[in-house]
Amino acid sequence: DAKTTQPPSMDCAEGRAANLPCNHSTISGNEYVYWYRQIHSQGPQYIIHGLKNNETNEMASLIITEDRKSSTLILPHATLRDTAVYYCIVRVVETSGSRLTFGEGTQLTVNP
Amino acid sequence: DGGITQSPKYLFRKEGQNVTLSCEQNLNHDAMYWYRQDPGQGLRLIYYSQIVNDFQKGDIAEGYSVSREKKESFPLTVTSAQKNPTAFYLCASRPQLGVSVQPQHFGDGTRLSIL
Repeated sequence: DAKTTQPPSMDCAEGRAANLPCNHSTISGNEYVYWYRQIHSQGPQYIIHGLKNNETNEMASLIITEDRKSSTLILPHATLRDTAVYYCIVRVVETSGSRLTFGEGTQLTVNP
Repeated sequence: DGGITQSPKYLFRKEGQNVTLSCEQNLNHDAMYWYRQDPGQGLRLIYYSQIVNDFQKGDIAEGYSVSREKKESFPLTVTSAQKNPTAFYLCASRPQLGVSVQPQHFGDGTRLSIL
């Protein structure tokens, strides 16, 4: 399994871009990078995923380095409601199914 | 609305009792999952099921049991053999289209406490 490393916490000012890094240096060629977030006492919310190209949706952008050993989730204009734990996950595919391995994530605090 | 419903939101158990957590989805997803989350930690996989009447153990299956008699339902039983059951339990589902990159979707969880 490819392991991910994220900083335990980050702060961001409201209205500014939040850039959350993730290292996954042992990722293999067919593994995708997924990002989820979890607001306190709620279930995780899917944000975005990618393989090797940069991706953008209505919530965020995902930038993956050319060697795929790291990625950055970008929230372009952070709001107070974006305060949450953000998980970077590399998807493990097994013959009988697939699973997500969650680490400890990054606590993002958006300050007014 | 389509989604995943977990009930109850809070559950209390006396020591030595079994307790069952409910998870229902109306998304027509094939695969369903149970995770456990302890305070300040990430999620750990308990059991998962790719199809009705079939399921596999995850990383921490000891002391838990599941069933998958219907596509939309995947209940989790926390047995008396689970010595430290106090945790936040999350159910997830996802379309199973062969080797798929579709993301998992989560319910809002059940918080289990021991009296």
